[in-house]
Amino acid sequence: IQMTQSPSSLSASVGDRVTITCQASQDISNYLNWYQQKPGKAPKLLIYDASNLATGVPSRFSGSGSGIDFTLTISSLQPEDIATYYCQQYDDIPPTFGPGTKLDIK
Amino acid sequence: EMQLVESGGGLVQPGGSLRLSCSASGSMSGPSAIHWVRQTPGKGLEYVAGISTVGFITYFADSVKGRFTISRDNSKNFHHLQMSSVRPEDTAVYYCVLGGATSGINWFDPWGQGTLVIVSS
Repeated sequence: IQMTQSPSSLSASVGDRVTITCQASQDISNYLNWYQQKPGKAPKLLIYDASNLATGVPSRFSGSGSGIDFTLTISSLQPEDIATYYCQQYDDIPPTFGPGTKLDIK
Repeated sequence: EMQLVESGGGLVQPGGSLRLSCSASGSMSGPSAIHWVRQTPGKGLEYVAGISTVGFITYFADSVKGRFTISRDNSKNFHHLQMSSVRPEDTAVYYCVLGGATSGINWFDPWGQGTLVIVSS
């Protein structure tokens, strides 16, 4: 299953609402996770099963979608949110990741 | 909180072998599958292999099937990825990750810090 993300990069201001989209090449129900990777660090789970917040993740992060189209939203961008964001499907084996969306501060 | 630490990365010649190890420590809610995910600047994040807690079921990406093996020692909380017949395209940072279930594949959390493997002559 191929995963695509848009945009590939994004600049936004502190306090902005940011939306990142992920699309699967076929129906994956809600078997979709989101990860955040800060420079020089390992990825960290943000959202699992499309809309469930992982432990310790701030409530400004949210996920939605099912089937083919999914969205990660940051309601109010903070400086510490600068990172690359990846989606990952697990409807099929092997699981596959999107190419990532690099987010920085304008 | 569970922590994963990888070791064993380094420089290896094409066609050679290398064994990566993953040590797990800390508390977790229950036994979980262990997986390996690699990352390259060009290909991004790629699933490599995994092993379940129940039944020791293994999973492999097509790109490594027949060349890599995975094993676990539950009594010592160690897991190993044996890489054989390595190719330049295996060059990557390899992450050990904890699966969200005892078997099967869902999400990956947490991740180790990663170990770099370079395949070059």
